[in-house]
Amino acid sequence: DSGVTQTPKHLITATGQRVTLRCSPRSGDLSVYWYQQSLDQGLQFLIQYYNGEERAKGNILERFSAQQFPDLHSELNLSSLELGDSALYFCASSVQGAQNTGELFFGEGSRLTVL
Amino acid sequence: AQSVTQLDSQVPVFEEAPVELRCNYSSSVSVYLFWYVQYPNQGLQLLLKYLSGSTLVESINGFEAEFNKSQTSFHLRKPSVHISDTAEYFCAVSGHRGSYIPTFGRGTSLIVHP
Repeated sequence: DSGVTQTPKHLITATGQRVTLRCSPRSGDLSVYWYQQSLDQGLQFLIQYYNGEERAKGNILERFSAQQFPDLHSELNLSSLELGDSALYFCASSVQGAQNTGELFFGEGSRLTVL
Repeated sequence: AQSVTQLDSQVPVFEEAPVELRCNYSSSVSVYLFWYVQYPNQGLQLLLKYLSGSTLVESINGFEAEFNKSQTSFHLRKPSVHISDTAEYFCAVSGHRGSYIPTFGRGTSLIVHP
């Protein structure tokens, strides 16, 4: 158990809809990362938040957005869903400061299926 | 930008045979290197990491990887695999230009046959 919690584990929805994925980082971790894993693209970095502020952006579509709340949990919002958005979405957290090496602790993922 | 190449998408092997999963990265500066394992229907778990010091790093379940700076490689090896090692293995690199957001390879599916 990595200590990172993601909900829901599975989600099936239709094209054009909007969904929200939730993540609680490990106790004490201030940084949250979102990754998308698909068969054709592999593991793609989407966005990072640190203590409530957006820190880095990767290959995140404009239809997607995220935020991190004061209690440090994070939400990834996916809107106007398309078939190609079907994927496994991972949340990860990391230690901070001088100890940060890029080692991540992953949740079990949220599998999104768009029909 | 940094990149990671895992040369084999799938590696089938028989139980108790040795295995090597290959990983090359592109970076001309000091980096941190990782191998993660993903079992079916689970998230990624850290298998081992190279931060500094000895170029040979080991995991608790018999895997090892060697950092080769001249060849920019970080291949993963195990002398004798078990059925339970069947999983997806990801190589990752971070630390390029001060960024600690890891870049992952496409993954290698290790399939251990009885």
